[in-house]
Amino acid sequence: QKEVEQDPGPLSVPEGAIVSLNCTYSNSAFQYFMWYRQYSRKGPELLMYTYSSGNKEDGRFTAQVDKSSKYISLFIRDSQPSDSATYLCAMRGSGNTPLVFGKGTRLSVIA
Amino acid sequence: DAEITQSPRHKITETGRQVTLACHQTWNHNNMFWYRQDLGHGLRLIHYSYGVQDTNKGEVSDGYSVSRSNTEDLPLTLESAASSQTSVYFCASSPVVLGTGELFFGEGSRLTVL
Repeated sequence: QKEVEQDPGPLSVPEGAIVSLNCTYSNSAFQYFMWYRQYSRKGPELLMYTYSSGNKEDGRFTAQVDKSSKYISLFIRDSQPSDSATYLCAMRGSGNTPLVFGKGTRLSVIA
Repeated sequence: DAEITQSPRHKITETGRQVTLACHQTWNHNNMFWYRQDLGHGLRLIHYSYGVQDTNKGEVSDGYSVSRSNTEDLPLTLESAASSQTSVYFCASSPVVLGTGELFFGEGSRLTVL
């Protein structure tokens, strides 16, 4: 079993829909949780970051972490065609440790 | 503007040849990483470095090597390319700070081994 599991999709939704993307993990030492967005033929870019459990909101995006369930989510409200991309969850433990990535979920928002 | 650049962006090579992918960053970040990205596997860590003369193996290091002689560069070498190494390779860097440890990625190098 990989440390981080993420459904690769693809996921296709109509414009304006609420999108829910999820990852589960097995390493209880993970403390830093991130979501990266990757457009086609580009490198990933950091979208959201959360430390430990809780919620974080940034515009149309909300990141949630439930450490008791080892489950993290990214919600996108009022999705737009420009949100079409691959979304990768990533996480790491304390100190200067490398990030571990999920496989990424490919999202298409249809106008 | 500071940036991270990879070269070449596209390369086709033959089985058994040595290949080097270059990565250069101008942020003066101490941490540098090489990942490969394949369908069905996501991003997998190959090698990483926390500073000059420091290198560490990642999840899929067999057949790859890196060296860090200065802060700006971390070249990735495939000693004897194999078809299984056909992939998109991403270099990334991050500053040494507690907290996000955000990675800044290059645009990727697409390698095909025939």
